[in-house]
Amino acid sequence: NAGVTQTPKFQVLKTGQSMTLQCAQDMNHNSMYWYRQDPGMGLRLIYYSASEGTTDKGEVPNGYNVSRLNKREFSLRLESAAPSQTSVYFCASSEQGVDTQYFGPGTRLTVL
Amino acid sequence: KNQVEQSPQSLIILEGKNCTLQCNYTVSPFSNLRWYKQDTGRGPVSLTIMTFSENTKSNGRYTATLDADTKQSSLHITASQLSDSASYICVVSAKDSNYQLIWGAGTKLIIKP
Repeated sequence: NAGVTQTPKFQVLKTGQSMTLQCAQDMNHNSMYWYRQDPGMGLRLIYYSASEGTTDKGEVPNGYNVSRLNKREFSLRLESAAPSQTSVYFCASSEQGVDTQYFGPGTRLTVL
Repeated sequence: KNQVEQSPQSLIILEGKNCTLQCNYTVSPFSNLRWYKQDTGRGPVSLTIMTFSENTKSNGRYTATLDADTKQSSLHITASQLSDSASYICVVSAKDSNYQLIWGAGTKLIIKP
């Protein structure tokens, strides 16, 4: 069991470029999440997917889009990257609702 | 506004010593409280979960307490080891929010040999 995997691990973008962060889980969980983590702040929820086929905005959705491709995969897209999106991005999954969440290793994104 | 505040921001102790980390929350109505451990460069990993009716829960050398009346929780680490060096994050969920957790900023703990 790999748990939650994320790709890439590191990425550097120029302002205005686009990219997609990939996330997959092999625990047959219903719910998946995307967070960002900035120094001195708690994790902030960007988007979540309660179940396959549904997505909802979290606390900081502006500048991001998501796709729940199937039960296993949940991707996060930055259409036009901005320096304010420099952060560490974590994907997580849970059986459902506010059950314990299991996290991936994170993607460290720098936008120049 | 639902908030979770942790103290101290950072803490340095010698290997073998005990320490206690604090968490105060204003989340209402309260559902449960979790402590997560986050090693440098890794994702958070759940240590404990406590509901309204529980006031103590242990996981090895980690003991969490909860006082729902004063809306405070603590995480006590006994006989610290170098591998305990990490950030410890307090996370609270509200009953009326099915999918959103309120995350504290964490306490960065450094264990020195």
